[in-house]
Amino acid sequence: SAVISQKPSRDICQRGTSLTIQCQVDSQVTMMFWYRQQPGQSLTLIATANQGSEATYESGFVIDKFPISRPNLTFSTLTVSNMSPEDSSIYLCSVLQTGLYGYTFGSGTRLTVV
Amino acid sequence: GENVEQHPSTLSVQEGDSAVIKCTYSDSASNYFPWYKQELGKRPQLIIDIRSNVGEKKDQRIAVTLNKTAKHFSLHITETQPEDSAVYFCAASTNSNYQLIWGAGTKLIIKP
Repeated sequence: SAVISQKPSRDICQRGTSLTIQCQVDSQVTMMFWYRQQPGQSLTLIATANQGSEATYESGFVIDKFPISRPNLTFSTLTVSNMSPEDSSIYLCSVLQTGLYGYTFGSGTRLTVV
Repeated sequence: GENVEQHPSTLSVQEGDSAVIKCTYSDSASNYFPWYKQELGKRPQLIIDIRSNVGEKKDQRIAVTLNKTAKHFSLHITETQPEDSAVYFCAASTNSNYQLIWGAGTKLIIKP
């Protein structure tokens, strides 16, 4: 399966600032997704990162708050903008490999906003 | 839209016994059903999956069954071991957008 490098692994940020999370895959993948997971809870899909075009956001998530880029088939970034303590969570990227059904996850970014 | 319900939320079993976790889905177009294991502080890891053209799949101590008519699928773990303790998530997806719809998770506790 694909190997995903997600950075940073954790960060503590001041409210009002922004953080960009990177997801690098070692092979071309069909689809890339960004999730948020609160401790002890299930995964919530933020958006599908589309290569070369605007991401597709789920209800409750907007581009101004969570801008996403995907310049090629192996790389994507998620920015958490104008952060507040409510944005404290674990953010995960996930990929679906070409021709396969398996979804693989990055190691996650633990974000704390103070 | 699709909805996936997962039960129970917590399951405690004696080491060596079997554990069963059940999920139901609402969208009859769903055709892919993975199960993920997530240990504390780690990423979800795929442990087994099944497609809609198969009724059962087994991998050593782990098996998944699918009932398309009733729209439910189950994870079966036999001869449970302490390292099976984790949170398990079921999910479902269709070919329309390949998004995974997740269950709420089951915390599995293996008692020594």
